[in-house]
Amino acid sequence: KQEVTQIPAALSVPEGENLVLNCSFTDSAIYNLQWFRQDPGKGLTSLLLIQSSQREQTSGRLNASLDKSSGRSTLYIAASQPGDSATYLCAATQGGSEKLVFGKGTKLTVNP
Amino acid sequence: GAVVSQHPSRVICKSGTSVKIECRSLDFQATTMFWYRQFPKQSLMLMATSNEGSKATYEQGVEKDKFLINHASLTLSTLTVTSAHPEDSSFYICSVRGVAGEYEQYFGPGTRLTVT
Repeated sequence: KQEVTQIPAALSVPEGENLVLNCSFTDSAIYNLQWFRQDPGKGLTSLLLIQSSQREQTSGRLNASLDKSSGRSTLYIAASQPGDSATYLCAATQGGSEKLVFGKGTKLTVNP
Repeated sequence: GAVVSQHPSRVICKSGTSVKIECRSLDFQATTMFWYRQFPKQSLMLMATSNEGSKATYEQGVEKDKFLINHASLTLSTLTVTSAHPEDSSFYICSVRGVAGEYEQYFGPGTRLTVT
């Protein structure tokens, strides 16, 4: 059974800092791994999807990496801004299926 | 990606009543939709997989008679919470599976259910 863990649970940084959010998963037989952003009381905004065959994906100031062998993914945010403040969720497909298993998220606060 | 809507965005109901939540795929024919719920400060948990024209598949621990799912068309799936109780208060989110083989899911904005 897939389990997804995100560390840290919360992170507070000054504006402009580069930061890394970590995600680990127990079952490496994934189809893909997705990173989402969730604002308080809102739904999910998809940020990046990394297919099983890929090592990384980039979108603007965001870069996500995937290392299936070690069961890890990282989300790198460059030059953080107060508008980046949100909870970031990592989700991996459950081995051999398309069902997504979510981590508990990292709550990011970027201080002006 | 697919655009997904949910209705209502918020609902308050009394204990013992039933509530229906709609999930619509606005620009994509969705053969498969997923229903999740999220309790405060917890992550999303998959409740069930909804397949168009067939019975939904429920995750372990989710009561199918309490959470009725109907996926009657390629653009609409509904979740009905029957005989709701305060412990059913949660954030319910649906998603649409994208192109077959890519396994990407597109999420709706969620429905906040409060049972008093």
